[in-house]
Amino acid sequence: AQTVTQSQPEMSVQEAETVTLSCTYDTSESDYYLFWYKQPPSRQMILVIRQEAYKQQNATENRFSVNFQKAAKSFSLKISDSQLGDAAMYFCATIQGAQKLVFGQGTRLTINP
Amino acid sequence: KAGVTQTPRYLIKTRGQQVTLSCSPISGHRSVSWYQQTPGQGLQFLFEYFSETQRNKGNFPGRFSGRQFSNSRSEMNVSTLELGDSALYLCASSLGLAGEFFGPGTRLTVL
Repeated sequence: AQTVTQSQPEMSVQEAETVTLSCTYDTSESDYYLFWYKQPPSRQMILVIRQEAYKQQNATENRFSVNFQKAAKSFSLKISDSQLGDAAMYFCATIQGAQKLVFGQGTRLTINP
Repeated sequence: KAGVTQTPRYLIKTRGQQVTLSCSPISGHRSVSWYQQTPGQGLQFLFEYFSETQRNKGNFPGRFSGRQFSNSRSEMNVSTLELGDSALYLCASSLGLAGEFFGPGTRLTVL
């Protein structure tokens, strides 16, 4: 079974700085996807970025990028130029089959003005 | 295009009652999946439906059930509510790969 581990329950960063959130995973799938979600206080889960495991190139979405290390089963999220609106819970997830997301426990990110 | 909608947004029930939650996916999406989020257990997969068929089910007791209608709208039902069922219930819809778009959730409180 897939497992996802986020070892940082909380992180904080100064506005405009860069922060990296860590995630490791374990999977028996030969091909899989990895995700980062953002959950602000509204509790709406928002997909931030997605990585297909067979793609070696790291995914990027504007200020968000990932460092995907397949052999190490590591999938970290880098947020550049942090903004106050980035404050939220961030969840790393992988997918089992095509339908079941497996989530980590989350990292609470605080942005200090 | 309208997003995923969930109704009701908040619900208060007492132990032993049953509850039905509704999820309307994005137009054209045929896959609907449900997740339970609690402080202790985090986010856990409940089940997923595609074209009215349950394709996958999580490790929840039989008190948790669901269905999907021909218009892709989905409902989940929890019978004989327990205090531990208090949670945020999230619904997600997608065209193919799960988890693309989530709804705002239904906050269920069991007293």
